[in-house]
Amino acid sequence: AQSVSQHNHHVILSEAASLELGCNYSYGGTVNLFWYVQYPGQHLQLLLKYFSGDPLVKGIKGFEAEFIKSKFSFNLRKPSVQWSDTAEYFCAVNAWASGTYKYIFGTGTRLKVLA
Amino acid sequence: DAGVIQSPRHEVTEMGQEVTLRCKPISGHNSLFWYRQTMMRGLELLIYFNNNVPIDDSGMPEDRFSAKMPNASFSTLKIQPSEPRDSAVYFCASSLEGKWGYTFGSGTRLTVV
Repeated sequence: AQSVSQHNHHVILSEAASLELGCNYSYGGTVNLFWYVQYPGQHLQLLLKYFSGDPLVKGIKGFEAEFIKSKFSFNLRKPSVQWSDTAEYFCAVNAWASGTYKYIFGTGTRLKVLA
Repeated sequence: DAGVIQSPRHEVTEMGQEVTLRCKPISGHNSLFWYRQTMMRGLELLIYFNNNVPIDDSGMPEDRFSAKMPNASFSTLKIQPSEPRDSAVYFCASSLEGKWGYTFGSGTRLTVV
């Protein structure tokens, strides 16, 4: 069965530190990959997405993610985090299976940035 | 576009009562999803509609939960009877073709006492 793993459940960083959140998926076919962000008390918002082409994807607010097909990974990065990046981050995979698209979310990573 | 609109934003109800959550997807989107989010279980897909037809309801926890999509611009999620363990934030999301990214609504925070 398809699955998405986010190994870091909680991450605490100081402002200006670099961020990398891991995301691995298990699915052998073609996938579309997403990162969502959920700020405290708010709904999920799309941060960035990968469908095809350049495996390095740039999203909003200085975030980027790299798709490494051989590693089944789509890690999220930001060179210098800000206090306002405190949020929960969800990786998601969309894959065609059994005649429909299956959209699977990871369990999320809670990021806390200390001012 | 007003985005995905959910109502109510907050609902507090007594155990045993019927609860109906409502969702208006983005115009033109043909896929609609209901999710439940709790601290313990994270984000769970409850049901997924494509072109108003339920495609995957394997996430619906039990018969107390039901969802309908009578037309392309409206969906409901009903819990009858409600129980305290149903307390959660329920999100509706819509997408074009189910392939692209989702747009989430602001959610309904349900508290069953």
